[in-house]
Amino acid sequence: AQKVTQAQTEISVVEKEDVTLDCVYETRDTTYYLFWYKQPPSGELVFLIRRNSFDEQNEISGRYSWNFQKSTSSFNFTITASQVVDSAVYFCALSEAQGYSTLTFGKGTMLLVSP
Amino acid sequence: DTGVSQDPRHKITKRGQNVTFRCDPISEHNRLYWYRQTLGQGPEFLTYFQNEAQLEKSRLLSDRFSAERPKGSFSTLEIQRTEQGDSAMYLCASSSRTGNDNEQFFGPGTRLTVL
Repeated sequence: AQKVTQAQTEISVVEKEDVTLDCVYETRDTTYYLFWYKQPPSGELVFLIRRNSFDEQNEISGRYSWNFQKSTSSFNFTITASQVVDSAVYFCALSEAQGYSTLTFGKGTMLLVSP
Repeated sequence: DTGVSQDPRHKITKRGQNVTFRCDPISEHNRLYWYRQTLGQGPEFLTYFQNEAQLEKSRLLSDRFSAERPKGSFSTLEIQRTEQGDSAMYLCASSSRTGNDNEQFFGPGTRLTVL
């Protein structure tokens, strides 16, 4: 069975601080995908990144960066110089590479960025 | 707007009533997913369609729930004899087998409140 754990329920930072959201996953699959989604107050899930289990290179996209470590089954997400608009709930998710690719989500981390 | 759309956005009903939600996926996407999200939790998979075929159903989908995707286009999710525990956000997502296979695009959701 697949499982995603986001231990941080809520994080509060002040604008311009860096913040890291943790994600730990469990799967028996040798090939899988990891995702991060953002859910702003409007409710719609916004896709941020997909990472294949074979690709452990870290990725940077603007102020966002992701650290994938297969040895510790972690896929952490860092926002550099946070902004108020980053306030949202962030979900880490896992799917098998074969089959129907249904997503298994963590419980989410609510990020509050204050001015 | 070529994204995933859902209707209605909000539904308030009394316990015991039947409700039906509609999802219109991105037009060229052949895969369609339904998820349910309760307060403070991540989305949980309910069911999956490839074209018009319903290929997977979660154990969360009790016999009061039914989903259809006639002609492989839009999908409907019906809940019969609603219970207060059915109150949640119902999310629809679609993806393309020929594109980034695991990138699911989510709609804005239908928020159901059962009184």
